[in-house]
Amino acid sequence: QSALTQPPSASGSPGQSVTISCTGTSSDVGGYNYVSWYQQHPGKAPKLMIYEVTKRPSGVPDRFSGSKSANTASLTVSGLQAEDEADYYCSSYAGSNNPWVFGGGTRLTVL
Amino acid sequence: QVQVQESGPGLVKPSETLSLTCTVSGASVSSGSHYWSWIRQPPGKGLEWIGFIYYGGNTKYNPSLKSRVSISLDTSKNHLSLNLRSVTAADTAVYYCARVDLLGEYFDYWGQGTLVTVSS
Repeated sequence: QSALTQPPSASGSPGQSVTISCTGTSSDVGGYNYVSWYQQHPGKAPKLMIYEVTKRPSGVPDRFSGSKSANTASLTVSGLQAEDEADYYCSSYAGSNNPWVFGGGTRLTVL
Repeated sequence: QVQVQESGPGLVKPSETLSLTCTVSGASVSSGSHYWSWIRQPPGKGLEWIGFIYYGGNTKYNPSLKSRVSISLDTSKNHLSLNLRSVTAADTAVYYCARVDLLGEYFDYWGQGTLVTVSS
């Protein structure tokens, strides 16, 4: 069982917006502004999409955005495109004892 | 451009030791501004952080694996290694090597991963 809770699936039509949640505790998501999001296409390595809750690496479209409220972080994908169909994982720093925890992943389907 | 590549046996027998290597190009494994980490993903499941190593050889491991895992650096070859002892079928997974940004606590470069199956 993953430390962070994500919905197993999400979906939307092209052009729509979808939000994926990631719920933790005050010891991880709620305690640090170090939430990151990763996109993984089948058979491929995870790709960093969001870091430090809201920041986008160079090259990631601004259709991807992140936010956080209390112990829940969220990834929003606006203007859905076919290539956004993938698995998405959240991660949070959780302190020096066990530094990083992950969510179980959300499969995003573009209808 | 940073490139990361995992390598090692794809099949390991139960009770034996899983050994993998991560070769890095475009960055130094002895950089003081990054950790180097191992992460795994069992088939059809989510990601699990295994451990990291830092310049000078300092390490930190997932408490659930701490008794069986070790990570080491070879700065002359610019690579890091993972050893996981006494493996069982539950250790079957794709193993990834990734660089950690120390300031933002995120994984910015990942290898393609290597599937290790534990089976007799």
